[in-house]
Amino acid sequence: SYVLTQPPSVSVAPGQTARITCAGNNIGSKGVHWYQHKPGQAPVCLVYDNSDRPSGIPERFSGSNSGNTATLTISRVEAGDEADYYCQVWDSSNKCVIFGGGTKLTVL
Amino acid sequence: QVQLRESGPGLVKPSETLSLTCTVSGGSITDYYLSWIRQAPGKGLEWIGYIYYSGSASYNPSLKSRATILLDTSKNQFSLNLNSVTAADTAVYYCAGVLIRQPGGFDPWGQGTLVTVSS
Repeated sequence: SYVLTQPPSVSVAPGQTARITCAGNNIGSKGVHWYQHKPGQAPVCLVYDNSDRPSGIPERFSGSNSGNTATLTISRVEAGDEADYYCQVWDSSNKCVIFGGGTKLTVL
Repeated sequence: QVQLRESGPGLVKPSETLSLTCTVSGGSITDYYLSWIRQAPGKGLEWIGYIYYSGSASYNPSLKSRATILLDTSKNQFSLNLNSVTAADTAVYYCAGVLIRQPGGFDPWGQGTLVTVSS
């Protein structure tokens, strides 16, 4: 089955830019969605279809996807961005939703 | 604004069936692909399966056919049954939807409900 690989953790200082990657075989041919998940809360969709943002999501969150890697970029990182981040795709071959393993973002 | 809310027992005995219901308010259940997703303690998100208005469903093969998702359009609800549960099924269970006319990420989500499998 299709596998998405994320780094377990990313650390960044406040005000800097965080980049969280999601690797998968030819992932550039798929639509990638990104979620922010804070403890005790429901996940929130930050980016859908590689680079679109739902209404209410700040422009600081952006996405890109090419080749074998999709990337979530968080600009001007704030303490409140500390959370787990997940990428997700639809595996049409197996009719399955696939999540990456998640990346814990730490704001130093 | 569409809202989802999970309900069901918080404690299930090993080998029994876990049953949860998701109630959709503020919109029609027929407008969404409806999924169940879970997160075991210390683990990542795991998709369980989805259903949509026709009743057609798809499941995560890793659950080895233990999961069944059903739709009740008269109550604007859908449900999850997971049989033969073990401690490994202890998790926070979320229901979530994807708009059929504009497929994208899961939005909205329920707040989640913790289910513990223990005797």
